[in-house]
Amino acid sequence: QVQLVESGGGVVLPGRSLRLSCATSGFRFFDFAMHWVRQRPGKGLEWVAVVSYDGGQKYYTPSVQGRFIISRDNSENTVSLHMSSLSIDDTALYYCAAARSNSWHNFDYWGQGALVTVSS
Amino acid sequence: QSALTQPASVSGSPGQSIAISCTGTSSDVGGHNFVSWYQHHPGKAPKLMIYDVSNRPSGISNRFSGSKSGNTASLTISGLQAEDEADYHCSSYTSGNTPYVFGTGTKVTVL
Repeated sequence: QVQLVESGGGVVLPGRSLRLSCATSGFRFFDFAMHWVRQRPGKGLEWVAVVSYDGGQKYYTPSVQGRFIISRDNSENTVSLHMSSLSIDDTALYYCAAARSNSWHNFDYWGQGALVTVSS
Repeated sequence: QSALTQPASVSGSPGQSIAISCTGTSSDVGGHNFVSWYQHHPGKAPKLMIYDVSNRPSGISNRFSGSKSGNTASLTISGLQAEDEADYHCSSYTSGNTPYVFGTGTKVTVL
């Protein structure tokens, strides 16, 4: 059974950092690119970042470029998102999602999300 | 990169068919056959329903179908059932300043 479980969410002050993790099981992790997608309150989904199957390629949406870092550990089947210089606009439910390496644009498997609230 | 445009809500009675539109530009929906659709019951993990415009993953009911014309993609749900009540999101690969863009989301209500 495929499972993706996000952790690390919480309430954080503006300007501070937070690290999200996503533990996966039930599929061949190495065969998949891994994404982070977020949903701000009352809004639609927004793509945030992706890392290739081997960690060699990483791409970010412009609003997080230079502040967020995506990484993966293929020995632990996990993907992480290190978020720094957080602002109120980063408040969202963050999902990790897996996409087969030959079709990064199809998000095959998703987690249930981790809530990040940036507030003073 | 602007979000793809979806209707905020669509409703139908059990057994009916409904269609959800997803409108973009020639840089995303119109320029690539890389449109996918996701069903999302709040509090649960989103689920891939349609990929590459019109393909169903294994295990997805054939009541769900996808199509595209120009810059607009559509998801059709036929034989509407109570369990279909959920939020639906489209997404597309894009040649814009971000490689992937999602729609604004549509809440489907089964009357």
